[in-house]
Amino acid sequence: EAGVAQSPRYKIIEKRQSVAFWCNPISGHATLYWYQQILGQGPKLLIQFQNNGVVDDSQLPKDRFSAERLKGVDSTLKIQPAKLEDSAVYLCASSPGGGVNIQYFGAGTRLSVL
Amino acid sequence: AQTVTQSQPEMSVQEAETVTLSCTYDTSESDYYLFWYKQPPSRQMILVIRQEAYKQQNATENRFSVNFQKAAKSFSLKISDSQLGDAAMYFCAYRRDTGTASKLTFGTGTRLQVTL
Repeated sequence: EAGVAQSPRYKIIEKRQSVAFWCNPISGHATLYWYQQILGQGPKLLIQFQNNGVVDDSQLPKDRFSAERLKGVDSTLKIQPAKLEDSAVYLCASSPGGGVNIQYFGAGTRLSVL
Repeated sequence: AQTVTQSQPEMSVQEAETVTLSCTYDTSESDYYLFWYKQPPSRQMILVIRQEAYKQQNATENRFSVNFQKAAKSFSLKISDSQLGDAAMYFCAYRRDTGTASKLTFGTGTRLQVTL
């Protein structure tokens, strides 16, 4: 079974530029999460989707971050415009729902904002 | 808000020895889940072990086991017969489901070094 796929693996941009990250969850997983992991910290949830609806985006900086999950499968996270403090690893995870509902993670995208 | 604390930024263990990583958490809930995830340099978070709070028995997965003390809000991870491949960042995480919301709250991690 294929895991959670993310691209790109690395991205370097200058501040005020825009950037987008893509995530393809495990097939059949209804729930998709985006986490931000700043160096030296644990991941922090940005947004959770259930199918194509938003469940929790309370920690998403909505003035610059946006995310969508069209058709309830793939998802894109966008930052526009980027700030220096957005430098981090962006992790995507998916889970099947129900029961223990384990979250499975992708390898992440490392973003450097210069 | 729930918080997870890992007070050991770094730990070191010799190959074949046993090491224990500490984790405490703060919650007023009685029904929740606890997890240990491993993050190697490849960055992918890999589930090591999980514990349902309603279960009194400590979870075990091969060389990995936990000491879950619900009243003390403590959830430590014991790695037995440590191997070089165990070297990684280890994150303790808490999850309390409210409806369909199921975010993980992570600690700051413990870097484990395994020496020969």
